[in-house]
Amino acid sequence: GEDVEQSLFLSVREGDSSVINCTYTDSSSTYLYWYKQEPGAGLQLLTYIFSNMDMKQDQRLTVLLNKKDKHLSLRIADTQTGDSAIYFCAESRGGGFKTIFGAGTRLFVKA
Amino acid sequence: GAGVSQTPSNKVTEKGKYVELRCDPISGHTALYWYRQSLGQGPEFLIYFQGTGAADDSGLPNDRFFAVRPEGSVSTLKIQRTERGDSAVYLCASSLGVRGSYEQYFGPGTRLTVT
Repeated sequence: GEDVEQSLFLSVREGDSSVINCTYTDSSSTYLYWYKQEPGAGLQLLTYIFSNMDMKQDQRLTVLLNKKDKHLSLRIADTQTGDSAIYFCAESRGGGFKTIFGAGTRLFVKA
Repeated sequence: GAGVSQTPSNKVTEKGKYVELRCDPISGHTALYWYRQSLGQGPEFLIYFQGTGAADDSGLPNDRFFAVRPEGSVSTLKIQRTERGDSAVYLCASSLGVRGSYEQYFGPGTRLTVT
């Protein structure tokens, strides 16, 4: 179906790395995204990767894409308490505009 | 500059009533999207506009839902004969609307409660 699937919760200690995983279904997806949602704030694009790439690094964030397995991951290095939020994986289909979101992974960072 | 704005921020209505939700996109953004987010879920795609036309309305759940964008800027999502299951946060987003421009900018949402 249309599912983008993510685990619901992740808890890490401050300073550790966090890895959030996602699987998607549409092999024709052109862009894959990670969005962040904090309480009382809107959705914010964190990073994205084109489907012809397998890795992208952006400061503390590393995105890995395994197109064969339709698996996407987001690694946050040196996780801080301010990283506590819900992280959504999303894919764009059909040329890039219709975007399908996962249910989100709630990241808890313990001090 | 101003971001995406949505009005009202909260709307409480009775079952069976008609509601309109408004979205003001970022100036110059030709693409506009509507999503619905239920508690504990990710945004669910409803419809997107490229200019004045609905380029993809495959996410609208049924014919009670309709959206317009008559001048290619402000959009209104209209829900007829509201049901309790329509209660959710309705999110609007806009983007430049050109291929390769990947970032959607989200508004704060309208929380709709149907009693």
